[in-house]
Amino acid sequence: DTEVTQTPKHLVMGMTNKKSLKCEQHMGHRAMYWYKQKAKKPPELMFVYSYEKLSINESVPSRFSPECPNSSLLNLHLHALQPEDSALYLCASSQELASEAFFGQGTRLTVV
Amino acid sequence: QKEVEQNSGPLSVPEGAIASLNCTYSDRGSQSFFWYRQYSGKSPELIMFIYSNGDKEDGRFTAQLNKASQYVSLLIRDSQPSDSATYLCAVKGLGFNKFYFGSGTKLNVKP
Repeated sequence: DTEVTQTPKHLVMGMTNKKSLKCEQHMGHRAMYWYKQKAKKPPELMFVYSYEKLSINESVPSRFSPECPNSSLLNLHLHALQPEDSALYLCASSQELASEAFFGQGTRLTVV
Repeated sequence: QKEVEQNSGPLSVPEGAIASLNCTYSDRGSQSFFWYRQYSGKSPELIMFIYSNGDKEDGRFTAQLNKASQYVSLLIRDSQPSDSATYLCAVKGLGFNKFYFGSGTKLNVKP
């Protein structure tokens, strides 16, 4: 089982809204990642968690706030986003930081 | 200089041919190397990973790594139209915290 589940699949939000993206895995993986992908571009690394601690923040604006409540869950809290933040948001997990990573199906976010 | 470089393509090959996809990376301390396939509008799917110099084969796919030349490639034998997708090379650097993708190579397999 290499399943990473992301909810919701699609999200439309206004610039004043607060919303959260959720990611869940039950593979016992200890590293989890958030990526942002714009059309026809590669995924861009946003955050990395290792053993539930934030390991990497790739200078992401503070309107994106990650949270790792436990080893199976990863959230991305969104607040005061801009239309240019519209993208596919991908969650991934790996057994350890060194291991291969598996992606969820993504959340298609549109900011209006 | 980008951490991971790929030719954006498109690379067109006839059905049944061998498709060869290439990737170079800049961090000589990089430890782990991955190939992902991504269909339009879908998330990346892991195809192969390789950690040691040499070749690694899995079915129709072979990954090749040359750390001295900082070069990793993916060969797809007996290419099928269903292999048409964007192939992303990804590299994990020393310490494994950094996990970066190349810009991807679009592959078209013509029936």
